[in-house]
Amino acid sequence: NAGVTQTPKFRVLKTGQSMTLLCAQDMNHEYMYWYRQDPGMGLRLIHYSVGEGTTAKGEVPDGYNVSRLKKQNFLLGLESAAPSQTSVYFCATLSDRGTYEQYFGPGTRLTVT
Amino acid sequence: DAKTTQPTSMDCAEGRAANLPCNHSTISGNEYVYWYRQIHSQGPQYIIHGLKNNETNEMASLIITEDRKSSTLILPHATLRDTAVYYCIVESNDYKLSFGAGTTVTVRA
Repeated sequence: NAGVTQTPKFRVLKTGQSMTLLCAQDMNHEYMYWYRQDPGMGLRLIHYSVGEGTTAKGEVPDGYNVSRLKKQNFLLGLESAAPSQTSVYFCATLSDRGTYEQYFGPGTRLTVT
Repeated sequence: DAKTTQPTSMDCAEGRAANLPCNHSTISGNEYVYWYRQIHSQGPQYIIHGLKNNETNEMASLIITEDRKSSTLILPHATLRDTAVYYCIVESNDYKLSFGAGTTVTVRA
């Protein structure tokens, strides 16, 4: 099992460009999350999903959109990238309510110039 | 969710126990205490969680005070590979974790 994978691993964008980050999981987990981590800081929740076809806002959703068309994939979109979105983006999954361990992907390092 | 307070950093000698404190004085009755760690920019890794009782697993032990206002994560025999940032998180039953700055633990040979 690959667990949680993220594509791409690294990306450099110019201000105003758009891109989509892909999170894929092969564990059949219901819940999926997108976090961002700025240098020297903890992780902050951007958006999350409690099942296929559902999405919800987290702590810092502005400037991002998400989709969960398939249970195994959770996409994070930046429509018009800004330098403030330079960060490391982590995806995580959770099996279902009653379990407590979130599984994290390796991260995507995004730089917006 | 209740906020947590952790020391910014701490050192530990290899082979000794590492005791990581966490203050969560505003915790409410249905909130769990979780511990995660993050090794050198990798994705965070779950360690342990608890509600009221002390908990132990293969990685660590979690001691929660009777009033639940603080807790301690214990790494019984720290190794160099335990060097990481450790996050104490208090979260109600909606699984949206809120990470603070954590404690940077350095295990020294």
